Amino acid sequence: DAGVIQSPRHEVTEMGQEVTLRCKPISGHNSLFWYRQTMMRGLELLIYFNNNVPIDDSGMPEDRFSAKMPNASFSTLKIQPSEPRDSAVYFCASSLPGSYEQYFGPGTRLTVT
Amino acid sequence: SQQGEEDPQALSIQEGENATMNCSYKTSINNLQWYRQNSGRGLVHLILIRSNEREKHSGRLRVTLDTSKKSSSLLITASRAADTASYFCASISGYALNFGKGTSLLVTP
Repeated sequence: DAGVIQSPRHEVTEMGQEVTLRCKPISGHNSLFWYRQTMMRGLELLIYFNNNVPIDDSGMPEDRFSAKMPNASFSTLKIQPSEPRDSAVYFCASSLPGSYEQYFGPGTRLTVT
Repeated sequence: SQQGEEDPQALSIQEGENATMNCSYKTSINNLQWYRQNSGRGLVHLILIRSNEREKHSGRLRVTLDTSKKSSSLLITASRAADTASYFCASISGYALNFGKGTSLLVTP
């Protein structure tokens, strides 16, 4: 299995631009998580999907952030418009039904100038 | 929100020595997990200990859990240079993992 796949691995964009991060979870995993990692705040859960349905989006910073999971094999995290404070590494993780162990993707390093 | 807090924030040891990292958490948990993150990579699950367990071993890893003190420790024995990484504890309540800020471990040859 290829593991959790994220794209792009690096993204540099200017303030005000739209950014879309993509994730393909491991086949058979029914839970998907988006996290953000910064030096100041560490790892923060942004949103959690179960069976493609958003269960908890309380970690989404503000309305500029949105996430979708149109099917079991694909999710997107969109930031529109982006701001310099959004610069971080964004991780996607997935887990099997009934399992607490999460498998992380390699992350997308986002830089907003 | 960050629930776990690791201690120390950074640890530097020589190969062959043991490394001990501690973690505290704030609320009741179902289980606690430890993850490793190599520089520039995603997190990798190391070990899970359930709330009714006190100690668990996996290879060179030993994890303890004290629910009365809301704390856990991770011991890596006979450390190797390849163990250099950041280590995070993650408490789970329900479905969400609450990560600490991690301990950065440097193992020098």
